[in-house]
Amino acid sequence: GEDVEQSLFLSVREGDSSVINCTYTDSSSTYLYWYKQEPGAGLQLLTYIFSNMDMKQDQRLTVLLNKKDKHLSLRIADTQTGDSAIYFCAEKGSSNTGKLIFGQGTTLQVKP
Amino acid sequence: GAVVSQHPSWVICKSGTSVKIECRSLDFQATTMFWYRQFPKQSLMLMATSNEGSKATYEQGVEKDKFLINHASLTLSTLTVTSAHPEDSSFYICSAEDRPHSYEQYFGPGTRLTVT
Repeated sequence: GEDVEQSLFLSVREGDSSVINCTYTDSSSTYLYWYKQEPGAGLQLLTYIFSNMDMKQDQRLTVLLNKKDKHLSLRIADTQTGDSAIYFCAEKGSSNTGKLIFGQGTTLQVKP
Repeated sequence: GAVVSQHPSWVICKSGTSVKIECRSLDFQATTMFWYRQFPKQSLMLMATSNEGSKATYEQGVEKDKFLINHASLTLSTLTVTSAHPEDSSFYICSAEDRPHSYEQYFGPGTRLTVT
């Protein structure tokens, strides 16, 4: 079945780059996403990538997709304390349901 | 941008009572709405998908009679937790699409349900 896996925790120092990794199993994924969730809040879409793309950059965010290995990563450049949150990787399959499958979430801790 | 609201943002209820949570798309018509459940420090699990005017499609393992979903209009979906028990305590999040097969789902801020 469909499955999305992430490492659970990442700690970096302010100003460093953060790289959050994700693997997925559905080879028919159409879109892959990165969402940010702050404590007690809903999800904020950070960025997404279409499955026929290898890379997408948006300001401090860079998404890399290795479709062969079914590996997705999110790089945050110049990480700030305000970036501390839980980051969820998600994929949308090729079915017409619109269903998103989420990873477990990676808690990013940014130390000053 | 597209905004989805949820009401209430948090609710405490007694065991055995029912609780209704509303999800509204404020500035767009939602062709499809989704209900997720999130346990502390865990991922979001899709509970059901609802389309306006039709019955919700529930994910495997989700009790239809316990989690009643009504999608009465293109801007409102409700989730009613019937005969709530402490194990139903969770964070419930809805999302909505503004068109079929859209790449983006717009998420509400979530509703924290605590059953005592």
